[in-house]
Amino acid sequence: DVKVTQSSRYLVKRTGEKVFLECVQDMDHENMFWYRQDPGLGLRLIYFSYDVKMKEKGDIPEGYSVSREKKERFSLILESASTNQTSMYLCASSLWANYYEQYFGPGTRLTVT
Amino acid sequence: QKEVEQDPGPLSVPEGAIVSLNCTYSNSAFQYFMWYRQYSRKGPELLMYTYSSGNKEDGRFTAQVDKSSKYISLFIRDSQPSDSATYLCAMSAETSGSRLTFGEGTQLTVNP
Repeated sequence: DVKVTQSSRYLVKRTGEKVFLECVQDMDHENMFWYRQDPGLGLRLIYFSYDVKMKEKGDIPEGYSVSREKKERFSLILESASTNQTSMYLCASSLWANYYEQYFGPGTRLTVT
Repeated sequence: QKEVEQDPGPLSVPEGAIVSLNCTYSNSAFQYFMWYRQYSRKGPELLMYTYSSGNKEDGRFTAQVDKSSKYISLFIRDSQPSDSATYLCAMSAETSGSRLTFGEGTQLTVNP
């Protein structure tokens, strides 16, 4: 059974803190993605990676960075958390060839106070 | 204006009803059309995908794409309470690499 896991289901951080969200997939997928999901705005792409150490900006990369040192692991970093980054964060992965079939993790609900 | 528009609902129907979920889009380069289903407190999962125009059927689910009208639909026949979820449409152009553009999602409740 394919699996994408995220390091935390719920996270509460203070404004200005550095936040790390980790994602691991066990399917040997080339592509990995970070989205945030907000009511009224849907799923928005923050960053994605199509190979180790490769990354591309999505639609809303401001305030975020990513790291992919190993094929199975993709990290999202909030350098200095702000209250407008309170959201549900979803990680996904896919094969390069079948990119339309993305497998999602369960999400991390991040609250920044 | 959003590239993909989807009525967020909520939509509430009785068990056994036929459900129609729809999305419109503005980017004529979109070629891949997907429907994802998201249960509460879970990540989305791919339900169906269609390449270019036409219909695709999978059990009780039928996906339709009308590229001339820039309109896609998902029909659910004989709806069940287990179909209660948020349904997200997603689209992609061949030139956009691995990026998908998602609709906002429609929240569906099927009442027993």
